[in-house]
Amino acid sequence: GESVGLHLPTLSVQEGDNSIINCAYSNSASDYFIWYKQESGKGPQFIIDIRSNMDKRQGQRVTVLLNKTVKHLSLQIAATQPGDSAVYFCAERKTGFQKLVFGTGTRLLVSP
Amino acid sequence: NAGVTQTPKFRVLKTGQSMTLLCAQDMNHEYMYWYRQDPGMGLRLIHYSVGEGTTAKGEVPDGYNVSRLKKQNFLLGLESAAPSQTSVYFCASDQQGPGANVLTFGAGSRLTVL
Repeated sequence: GESVGLHLPTLSVQEGDNSIINCAYSNSASDYFIWYKQESGKGPQFIIDIRSNMDKRQGQRVTVLLNKTVKHLSLQIAATQPGDSAVYFCAERKTGFQKLVFGTGTRLLVSP
Repeated sequence: NAGVTQTPKFRVLKTGQSMTLLCAQDMNHEYMYWYRQDPGMGLRLIHYSVGEGTTAKGEVPDGYNVSRLKKQNFLLGLESAAPSQTSVYFCASDQQGPGANVLTFGAGSRLTVL
């Protein structure tokens, strides 16, 4: 069946470092892979997505990398800031109306 | 622009009681969703709606009912609450098409069933 998981439940970094959050997926038929950020007490918020025919996509301070060979997705955050502390979820979906399947999340802790 | 608003934010119920969570969105989105979030389990889809007057089951629909009588509102009902329904509930909406990956979530409703 479909599953979206994460390698590490908690990632601790120093302010200013680059952060890498990883995600493994099992459904090769997914067309999109998406990252969401959830701050404490709030709902998840869309960060960035990548289509399955792409390897890399950049946003503001974030980069998503997709390695279809090993079914691996990563979110890179440059110059991590205290405001980046949150739980990060990866998700996947297929084209057309398909529901998002969310992973279990990784908590990012940024120390000053 | 309020986005997605959920009420109530907190609720404590006794086993067997009923309640309704209300979700309202002001973005004219066609699609609306109810998720539950439990520790270590991510977000699981309960029910969803692809338009006014329509509803469909998600991954974990048992024990819940929904209604979408108006496009902007999506109600989640618990007819007879059970301790296993203790969770944080999130409502979300999206417009599908090019914006299909961008769900707008509410702030959540924390429900405790004793």
